[in-house]
Amino acid sequence: GQQLNQSPQSMFIQEGEDVSMNCTSSSIFNTWLWYKQDPGEGPVLLIALYKAGELTSNGRLTAQFGITRKDSFLNISASIPSDVGIYFCAGQTPGSARQLTFGSGTQLTVLP
Amino acid sequence: NAGVTQTPKFRVLKTGQSMTLLCAQDMNHEYMYWYRQDPGMGLRLIHYSVGEGTTAKGEVPDGYNVSRLKKQNFLLGLESAAPSQTSVYFCASSYELATNEKLFFGSGTQLSVL
Repeated sequence: GQQLNQSPQSMFIQEGEDVSMNCTSSSIFNTWLWYKQDPGEGPVLLIALYKAGELTSNGRLTAQFGITRKDSFLNISASIPSDVGIYFCAGQTPGSARQLTFGSGTQLTVLP
Repeated sequence: NAGVTQTPKFRVLKTGQSMTLLCAQDMNHEYMYWYRQDPGMGLRLIHYSVGEGTTAKGEVPDGYNVSRLKKQNFLLGLESAAPSQTSVYFCASSYELATNEKLFFGSGTQLSVL
């Protein structure tokens, strides 16, 4: 199957700091998605990216679809306590419309 | 709006027991999915359905069966549970299945097999 490497695995940051996480793939993706999972809940879509080089924002969140189509990053600016959770990237390769490949997640902890 | 509802939320089984997880969605979505989530790993697709009466295997289908008798429901069955099936199970649904996947997830079922 596809390999998706997400880093870092976990982060501890102070409230107000900026955060960056990324995913790299061994294959080209035609879609990159970023999800957030709160404790005890299912993942919720944050940002969807469909074109290489695309930069999309959602409030304090910004994500980019890498030029090579094999990577993506997510930035969170001015973190707040409610940003705590697990962030997952997911990608879809051409021709595999029915399946997404998920990264292993980045556990974010925001310290007051 | 209920969205995607999973029952039960928690379950403990003994090895060899069987059980069925129920997923219901009220968004009239054609596509439904069952994923499992294990520590340090991303979600892995078990089975999926592209419409009422259809099912297909995902990445990790062994030991599971599914049924989609009604459009709004997608059942996941374990005929003979094994400790390796201890996991958190998520159901998801989506409206379109094109070049983008916008999945709506349920809140998960924590299953422990002793």
